[in-house]
Amino acid sequence: DTAVSQTPKYLVTQMGNDKSIKCEQNLGHDTMYWYKQDSKKFLKIMFSYNNKELIINETVPNRFSPKSPDKAHLNLHINSLELGDSAVYFCASSQLAGPTEAFFGQGTRLTVV
Amino acid sequence: DQQVKQNSPSLSVQEGRISILNCDYTNSMFDYFLWYKKYPAEGPTFLISISSIKDKNEDGRFTVFLNKSAKHLSLHIVPSQPGDSAVYFCAASEDSGYALNFGKGTSLLVTP
Repeated sequence: DTAVSQTPKYLVTQMGNDKSIKCEQNLGHDTMYWYKQDSKKFLKIMFSYNNKELIINETVPNRFSPKSPDKAHLNLHINSLELGDSAVYFCASSQLAGPTEAFFGQGTRLTVV
Repeated sequence: DQQVKQNSPSLSVQEGRISILNCDYTNSMFDYFLWYKKYPAEGPTFLISISSIKDKNEDGRFTVFLNKSAKHLSLHIVPSQPGDSAVYFCAASEDSGYALNFGKGTSLLVTP
């Protein structure tokens, strides 16, 4: 019974396409996040939502748009994909917004060709 | 700018011995620190944490030490087991922050 699940696990797409990654958590957490792990293995925060409201938006191109239909879901939509968007994207959730451990999904490996 | 640094990309330890993974940080506002473990093709899983009011937290074979004056923390695994082989990420956050700042990770290999 997966706590934080992302789909798809792998995504290969051409430059210029629009794609979405879905994330769902069944932990009853109020806060959800998207992290990006780039080719240098850095894990960096992209967005954070608390009770469906955006609370963190790091310097991410506006081609990336998170959408939270309810507090159990935080989807990531990416427009006009570029080669540099290739990375592993991790969704996470936590009970509280603030210093606490977050639970991560398995990641989505996005490859833009 | 990288605020959390793990300067050892890899570490190899014999089974039964102690593994020591190190982490340094630069932001003095950080006051909550975590270690995550990651297997290939999986997301990071939470291992252990420590708040800045403590200098040690222990959970079974895992102990995290925090030296605030040196802005340094370490994770000790005793005794190390082959199943501990994974990438370990150090992370930190500010009390008022919502996001974790991660290091680049240290790949631990525990050999039989």
